[in-house]
Amino acid sequence: ETGVTQTPRHLVMGMTNKKSLKCEQHLGHNAMYWYKQSAKKPLELMFVYNFKEQTENNSVPSRFSPECPNSSHLFLHLHTLQPEDSALYLCASSRRQGLSEQYFGPGTRLTVT
Amino acid sequence: AQTVTQSQPEMSVQEAETVTLSCTYDTSESDYYLFWYKQPPSRQMILVIRQEAYKQQNATENRFSVNFQKAAKSFSLKISDSQLGDAAMYFCAYRSSYIMIYNQGGKLIFGQGTELSVKP
Repeated sequence: ETGVTQTPRHLVMGMTNKKSLKCEQHLGHNAMYWYKQSAKKPLELMFVYNFKEQTENNSVPSRFSPECPNSSHLFLHLHTLQPEDSALYLCASSRRQGLSEQYFGPGTRLTVT
Repeated sequence: AQTVTQSQPEMSVQEAETVTLSCTYDTSESDYYLFWYKQPPSRQMILVIRQEAYKQQNATENRFSVNFQKAAKSFSLKISDSQLGDAAMYFCAYRSSYIMIYNQGGKLIFGQGTELSVKP
């Protein structure tokens, strides 16, 4: 029980589909993160939001579109993905960006067919 | 740019024995944090232990301890009295402790991970 939840846990989508991943944190944190975890590769930071403002975009393709309507919720909108985008997408939160530990959600296993 | 390297893709340990996972990193900064995260098959990444670079004393959390060698840029994790529940992927991570500049900062840089199996 980490206080960070992600839905759905598994998602299979075609390359022409549009879907969204959702992350919610119940820890009162103000910073939220999206990571991509591919097999045999280190976790890659994708986006950071601090107090609802995007503060970092790690050269992520525009087919990934994040949204942070408030400090508790973070979305990742997906459209026209490629098979190489198949991965585990992890959400994390921390009290503030850069100053505290990050707590992770269970992840969404995404398969692009 | 900082990098983190875990040179052991897989490790195995007998239950109740001790195992050490290796991690090296590269940075030009003098102040930073180092972490070990555990990711069991259920995929929930949890923090195991953290070390502040300015502290000479090695961090300890119950059966988990680190050997932090700042000059050598080495940060190994020792698990004592291994249990079946310790089986997981272990990630070493680095984070700068410099306050955000231009809204940057707080980035965790991960190693490739070490998959630990525990034999009964």
